[in-house]
Amino acid sequence: QVQLQESGPGLVKPSETLSLTCAVSGYSISSNHFWGWIRQPPGKGLEWIGTVSRTGNTHYNPSLESRVTISVDTSKNYFSLKVTSVTAADTAVYYCARQEYGSESADCWGQGTLVTVSS
Amino acid sequence: EIVMTQSPATLSVSPGERATLSCRASQSVSRNLTWYQQKPGQAPRLLISGASTRATGIPARFSGSGSGTEFTLTISSLQSEDFGIYYCQQDITWPLTFGGGTKVEIK
Repeated sequence: QVQLQESGPGLVKPSETLSLTCAVSGYSISSNHFWGWIRQPPGKGLEWIGTVSRTGNTHYNPSLESRVTISVDTSKNYFSLKVTSVTAADTAVYYCARQEYGSESADCWGQGTLVTVSS
Repeated sequence: EIVMTQSPATLSVSPGERATLSCRASQSVSRNLTWYQQKPGQAPRLLISGASTRATGIPARFSGSGSGTEFTLTISSLQSEDFGIYYCQQDITWPLTFGGGTKVEIK
């Protein structure tokens, strides 16, 4: 059974870098899927952050592109998210997800992790 | 980017009744439309992709239809476990974009 698990600090100071990893178990990250990050501010809707392929090709939300990096480590079966220069507006639950190749639908999600930006 | 608009914002439905949720795209997305269900405190769950293909394990009471710019998610006979927020998402082009969601309340 495929499982995704986000991990990283729950509290980040303004202007610093948010770093999260998503460990994938029960499935090889080198297989034919994409891997994505989605976030949800408290009480609000979903926002797609970006997606990475098994070869490291990426697509980012233009609203975040200048601050976001998503990478994949096939040897350790995980992928990562970095968001630089964070502000309070980056406070959200961050989800990682497996996305179907060709449709980009997210068919398997992590449980999500709340990241709060505050001094 | 393609803007997705969902209506209504909130839908109150009695158990056993039909629920109809709408999603509109600002430009054609063909049939590249996905529906998710999210319950409080949980991650979203994939319901339907390709506008009408149910995901594994999704009950037959959930059905999707539409193409181009107009889409509908229908829950034929609402069950108590169907409460939550439903989101549509287009995946025809980057950036992927979500609608604002429809909250389904049990009347």
